[in-house]
Formats: sequence, structure tokens, C-alpha cells
Amino acid sequence: DAGVTQSPTHLIKTRGQHVTLRCSPISGHKSVSWYQQVLGQGPQFIFQYYEKEERGRGNFPDRFSARQFPNYSSELNVNALLLGDSALYLCASSFITSGANVLTFGAGSRLTVL
Amino acid sequence: QKEVEQNSGPLSVPEGAIASLNCTYSDRVSQSFFWYRQYSGKSPELIMSIYSNGDKEDGRFTAQLNKASQYVSLLIRDSQPSDSATYLCAVWYSSASKIIFGSGTRLSIRP
Repeated sequence: DAGVTQSPTHLIKTRGQHVTLRCSPISGHKSVSWYQQVLGQGPQFIFQYYEKEERGRGNFPDRFSARQFPNYSSELNVNALLLGDSALYLCASSFITSGANVLTFGAGSRLTVL
Repeated sequence: QKEVEQNSGPLSVPEGAIASLNCTYSDRVSQSFFWYRQYSGKSPELIMSIYSNGDKEDGRFTAQLNKASQYVSLLIRDSQPSDSATYLCAVWYSSASKIIFGSGTRLSIRP
């Protein structure tokens, strides 16, 4: 079975540009969460989507947005990129969105902003 | 107070010894707790989940939960060099529908 797949794996952008990151969850998983991980820190929660609806949002500016499609795949969009947006962006899928919400992570998309 | 706190380490443990990793959390109503392992350059992978007070054992790993003290720990017995990684504590915050991670503890197993 395919795990969580993310694309692209690496990308380089310049300040002010926008970026779209994509994620396909494990088959049967209906929830997708996005995290940002800066080097040396733990993953920071950005969004959670379940059944195409936003269920949770972290403390990120409005430049960050996401959506989930009918096939449960998801996109994370970041506008007006800043140098500080350089990070590993992790997508995680789960079957449900409750306390037993075990996350399975994809390999991540490493974004470098110059 | 941070939502999930861990000692960043590094924690150096000799091969074959017990490694003890600790985590505290701020939300008294949290019910679900997780330990993830992250190798350098890789994504986190789940080691253990624990939902009830007490100990939960899985092979060389034991998770311990004390909700009264808002404390969760991970013990690794017979530590191996392959256990060298960053260990992330994660807590489900139901009020905000999100899983919050600590900053991680770097563990180094020395031969």
C-alpha cells in the first residue's frame, strides 16, 4: 500500500513568490494535517482538514491557506513568501480526527526561500 | 508555559543502557499522547501511543503516562546505536482539534 505522498520533494523560491504543496493521504484516510518544521524544532501545526472541511488551524498568518479535495488529497498554499518560510513542510494523514488520531507522515516537501 | 515541553538534549546513553525521555504538557483535559521518532533528514514515525494512566510496553519501548502530573515519558531498554534519533512527544488538544508536538529530544547512543 502506498503511504502518504507529497510533492514536490524539494523546491527553491524567491521572496514574494507563492508556492503550492500537494499531499495524497493513505487510501481510506479522510483527514489530512499540515505541519511546518524548521531545523532543530518540532513540527508546528498549520491546518487539519477532515472530509473537505477545516477542523483546526494553527498560529500562522493568512498567507497560509489549504484545501482538501473530494478524493481527500490536499494542497497547502503559501503566498508572499518570506525567508522565514524556509522549512520542511510535512503532510500527515489519519483515518479519523479525534483523540485516537494517529498521524502517518509523508516524506515532506523541503522549501528554500532565497 | 509551552503546550508541550521536552528537554532538547542531546541525551547521551551508552549502548545497552536504558534511555529515559520526558515530556510535560499544559492541557489538563488532554487524553491522547504519542511518541514519534525522527531520524535526521527523515519524517517522524510513530513509536507508541498511550491513552490511559500507567505503563504501556511494546518490545524495548515503554511509555508511561501520569495525567495528574501532566507528564508522559518514554523508556528505551537495551539501547542500540540505531535508536540514535530525535524523539518527539505529541499531545492531542481536543479543544483546538490539533496534535501539538514538542521540540524533540536528541538521543545519542554511544557504542
